[in-house]
Amino acid sequence: SQTIHQWPATLVQPVGSPLSLECTVEGTSNPNLYWYRQAAGRGLQLLFYSIGIGQISSEVPQNLSASRPQDRQFILSSKKLLLSDSGFYLCAWTPRGTGNTIYFGEGSWLTVV
Amino acid sequence: GDSVTQMEGPVTLSEEAFLTINCTYTATGYPSLFWYVQYPGEGLQLLLKATKADDKGSNKGFEATYRKETTSFHLEKGSVQVSDSAVYFCALSGAIISNFGNEKLTFGTGTRLTIIP
Repeated sequence: SQTIHQWPATLVQPVGSPLSLECTVEGTSNPNLYWYRQAAGRGLQLLFYSIGIGQISSEVPQNLSASRPQDRQFILSSKKLLLSDSGFYLCAWTPRGTGNTIYFGEGSWLTVV
Repeated sequence: GDSVTQMEGPVTLSEEAFLTINCTYTATGYPSLFWYVQYPGEGLQLLLKATKADDKGSNKGFEATYRKETTSFHLEKGSVQVSDSAVYFCALSGAIISNFGNEKLTFGTGTRLTIIP
């Protein structure tokens, strides 16, 4: 069966420090991969999605970047965090094709102080 | 582009009340529609889905019917329980062919539901 894991689950980082959130999917190949953010009191915002190694689409201009060094690995990064980067980050995947269920990771709580 | 508009919350109901959370969408073509639920302290999980017009998705007593004529996918439950307290997200799977494929999902802003005993 397929599984998705992301880490770390919780982190507190000072303003200006770097960020790296990692996500891996097991039990499938060629997944579509996503990073979403859920800011406090707001809904889900799609940040990045990827349909293959090295292929990243950014949905909103921001202080973050994403990379896909391997087929089932998706990394969310920042060189210098801002206070506004605080939120709940969710990695997700779908099989190729349309109308597929999206499966979410456990989420990572980021607090920038 | 694709968009999802859902009923703003928060919604507070008494146990055993009837629930409706409205969701309407804008999309080109024939998207698939989803309801996701996020229980307190947890990630999102699929509640139900419908992939074509007039389909009804159902799970855990919740239902939603894909209405193409009104571009809606309203979530309903006849008798809510305290354990249904959560945030509910309506979403669609885009049908637009883009340079990166057509599997992108778009979510609504979520509706927080609180059920009181």
